[in-house]
Order: sequence, then C-alpha cells, then structure tokens
Amino acid sequence: DIQMTQSPASLSASLGETVTIECRASEDIYNGLAWYQQKPGKSPQLLIYNANSLHTGVPSRFSGSGSGTQYSLKINSLQSEDVASYFCQQYYNYPTFGGGTKLELK
Amino acid sequence: EVQLVETGGGLVQPGRSLKLSCVASGFTFNNYWMSWTRQAPGKGLEWVASITNSGGSTYYPDSVKGRFTISRDNAQNTLYLQMNSLRSEDTATYYCTRVMGDNYFDYWGQGVMVTVSS
Repeated sequence: DIQMTQSPASLSASLGETVTIECRASEDIYNGLAWYQQKPGKSPQLLIYNANSLHTGVPSRFSGSGSGTQYSLKINSLQSEDVASYFCQQYYNYPTFGGGTKLELK
Repeated sequence: EVQLVETGGGLVQPGRSLKLSCVASGFTFNNYWMSWTRQAPGKGLEWVASITNSGGSTYYPDSVKGRFTISRDNAQNTLYLQMNSLRSEDTATYYCTRVMGDNYFDYWGQGVMVTVSS
C-alpha cells in the first residue's frame, strides 16, 4: 500500500492569511492526488484532483501543486468558512488517505 | 443535483452482519464506478470497496477482503455493502461515494453510522 503522510496535523491561522498543507507519498504517485475538505459534522467534499485541478464550484483561493511524492494544498486569503479538516488521497494505486489536517482560526 | 443517500446503519454485535444501501439520483448511475469509504469516530478516512459501473468487477483493501461485499442494482440506482463477521474496528461512519477519473471521489453521501459492540 502507498502510505500518505500529511502535515501538519493541526494548524491555527488568521483571517486573510495564506495556509499551506503538505502531503508526502511513500512512492511516486504521478499526480494521482486529490484534496478534500470536511467541515465539522459533514461529509468530505472534493476540492482538488489530479494534484492541481480545481473541482467545480470550489473557490479559486484553493490551489494544489506538487509532483512525484510531494504535494501541497494552498489556501489564499483564509476565510472563516475554511475552518475544517483537510485530507489528501492518492489514487495511483488502491486509494489511501493522509491522516488529515485540522485548520482552526487564530 | 447529485444525491447519494445511505441507509441501513445501526448497532450490531461482533461477528454479526449488516447491509448498507445507497440510493443515487441526479446522474446516470450505470455510467459510474461507485465506492464505499469509512471514517472511524474522530479518525481519518479509509477506502472500503469499489465496484465498476457494470458491477462486473469489485475491489477491496485487505482490512475487509473476504468479509465485505460491494454490489449494485443499476435498475434501482442503488449501491450496497454487505458486511459480515463484523469487528469492533469496523465501527465507523460509512460514506457512499461516486468515483471519478482514476479513482477519486467527487460526490459523497451524508454517511451512515455503524457501531459494532456487544
């Protein structure tokens, strides 16, 4: 199985700040990576697929980048509605997820 | 609007069985692979099973292989997950998910809770 290591596990940031979450795969996943947002008590929602493609309806302040084994999710100009947990998922092989990042407001 | 509505969760004793259902609407069900993904309380996400659009092939991680069976009824736009020999570690919210591209999940149901406990 491909292991996904996500960092940091938790993050506190201020409104308007830029936030970056990292995900590292145990082997090359050739951009087969998605990012999800999960608000408290809700189901996950797709943000990014193919490492850098924005899903329909997702605000442009979200962006994804990376290649090989290293990927990142960036949130520009943090809004209050971005408070959530974020998960990466690789799908180069059978799907596996990162452990998640809990984003809170400072 | 894509909708996925899961039912069938509940409290079940270890070693017993439970069957989850997911009714899909808002898209052409038989054009898409479908999956189940679960989340233990306060924990991360774990993919549980996938099925091709025709139902001809299924895929599982080792943690549930031989115990869980995914199936679908394309005439009824319904996805199923038969769970046998349940263990306490199967306690989780189970999400029905639509599969896109090479196996990411673009729509998720609201989830259904399964608790395995004596």
